[in-house]
Amino acid sequence: QSVLTQPPSASGTPGQRVTISCSGSSSNIGSNSVYWYQQLPGTAPKLLIYRNNQRPSGVPDRFSGSKSGTSASLAISGLRSEDEADYYCAAWDDSLSGVVFGGGTKLTVL
Amino acid sequence: QVQLQESGPGLVKPSQTLSLTCTVSGGSISSGSYYWSWIRQPAGKGLEWIGRMHTRGSTNNNPSLKSRVVISVDTSKNQFSLKLYSVTAADTAVYYCARGVTGDFDIWGQGTMVTVSS
Repeated sequence: QSVLTQPPSASGTPGQRVTISCSGSSSNIGSNSVYWYQQLPGTAPKLLIYRNNQRPSGVPDRFSGSKSGTSASLAISGLRSEDEADYYCAAWDDSLSGVVFGGGTKLTVL
Repeated sequence: QVQLQESGPGLVKPSQTLSLTCTVSGGSISSGSYYWSWIRQPAGKGLEWIGRMHTRGSTNNNPSLKSRVVISVDTSKNQFSLKLYSVTAADTAVYYCARGVTGDFDIWGQGTMVTVSS
């Protein structure tokens, strides 16, 4: 059971916009930044969004993040086949004094 | 640019100690305010943060792993290490080392598979 809650799966067709949610609590998302990772099969996760809504250099602007209260979302617009991957949210948890991850969302591009 | 590489045994017997090392190249492990973390992922499952250490000695570990985890840093070798004691089959996973502070892991190693089995 992960501390942060994500839907196990999401899907969309090429060109569509999809969102992935991440729900937490006041000790993690409610008081700290949220990070998003993309993990392609057989590879290490890649930082996609930091500080709730910032994109590292090289990440397309099709990817965007937002946060409200104790929840966060990752939006992917103009969906492409190469976006098919697992997506994870993460945050620092003040109560646990550690990093917590969501259980991951498998995105399928139909 | 900074790169990370995990190394260590791929097979560990139950009740023994899992030992992994992460070598930092392309930069000094002591530069900046980074923490150096270990993260694992059982096959087909999600990511689990194990713990982190700063070169100044500050550490944090996942409470779920209780006192089984020790993370250390060797600045002279530009490496940091993980020791996980009293392993069981549940500790079988791909282990990643990563650089970050509070969840912002911007650099990852490629990961190393560790199997706990007799």
